[in-house]
Amino acid sequence: QKEVEQNSGPLSVPEGAIASLNCTYSDRGSQSFFWYRQYSGKSPELIMSIYSNGDKEDGRFTAQLNKASQYVSLLIRDSQPSDSATYLCAVKNPNTGKLIFGQGTTLQVKP
Amino acid sequence: EAQVTQNPRYLITVTGKKLTVTCSQNMNHEYMSWYRQDPGLGLRQIYYSMNVEVTDKGDVPEGYKVSRKEKRNFPLILESPSPNQTSLYFCASSLYQGDNSPLHFGNGTRLTVT
Repeated sequence: QKEVEQNSGPLSVPEGAIASLNCTYSDRGSQSFFWYRQYSGKSPELIMSIYSNGDKEDGRFTAQLNKASQYVSLLIRDSQPSDSATYLCAVKNPNTGKLIFGQGTTLQVKP
Repeated sequence: EAQVTQNPRYLITVTGKKLTVTCSQNMNHEYMSWYRQDPGLGLRQIYYSMNVEVTDKGDVPEGYKVSRKEKRNFPLILESPSPNQTSLYFCASSLYQGDNSPLHFGNGTRLTVT
C-alpha cells in the first residue's frame, strides 16, 4: 500500500463546475496535510494546508480532512481553464517529518 | 522576495562529467531538500538537511552528494552523471521539519545526461 494515494486521472470538468480531488494516506498518526498545484514543467506551488478535521476554505478552494477515514480532499469551486494542472497531495510523516507526496491528479477544465 | 533559487534551469551534459546544481534560499529556513521528478514515479526525495552541517539520505540518494556549509545554500553534486539521472530536479526548503511547516520549491532544473 502506498503511503499517499491519489487517482492519477485525468479528471475532466466543465468550466464553472466543482472539481473534487481526493487523497488517502496510510499513516494514522499523520497530522499535517498539504495540497500543491503543479503546471506542466513547473515547480509545485502550495495552495492549501490543513491540520484539523473538517473544512478549510480559501477563496475558491476548500480542503477537507477526515482523520478517522484517513482521507483529505480538495474542492475547487467555479473551476476555470487556468486551474488545469496536476494537484499533488502531500502528507507529513509524523515520525520523520518528511513530506510524502502522492502521484498527483491531473485536472482538465474544459471551456 | 522570499524564494528558493536553483541554477541552472536547464543542463545537458555527458556521462561521467561532474556537475553541480546550486540551490539558495533567502528565508532563513533550517530545512532543505532535493527531489527528482520522473513520469509515473512522482516526486522522490534524494537528500535532505535539517540544518547546517547536518545532511541525510532520502529515498534515492545513489549517485548524488550534497553539502550544507551555510544555512542558505544546499548544492546537489553529481560526481559521475549517468543517463538514468536524466530528470527534473527540485530544491525545496521549509522553516523547520516540524509538522506545520510547508515546503517551498525552487523553479526546477531539467537535467539531460547523454
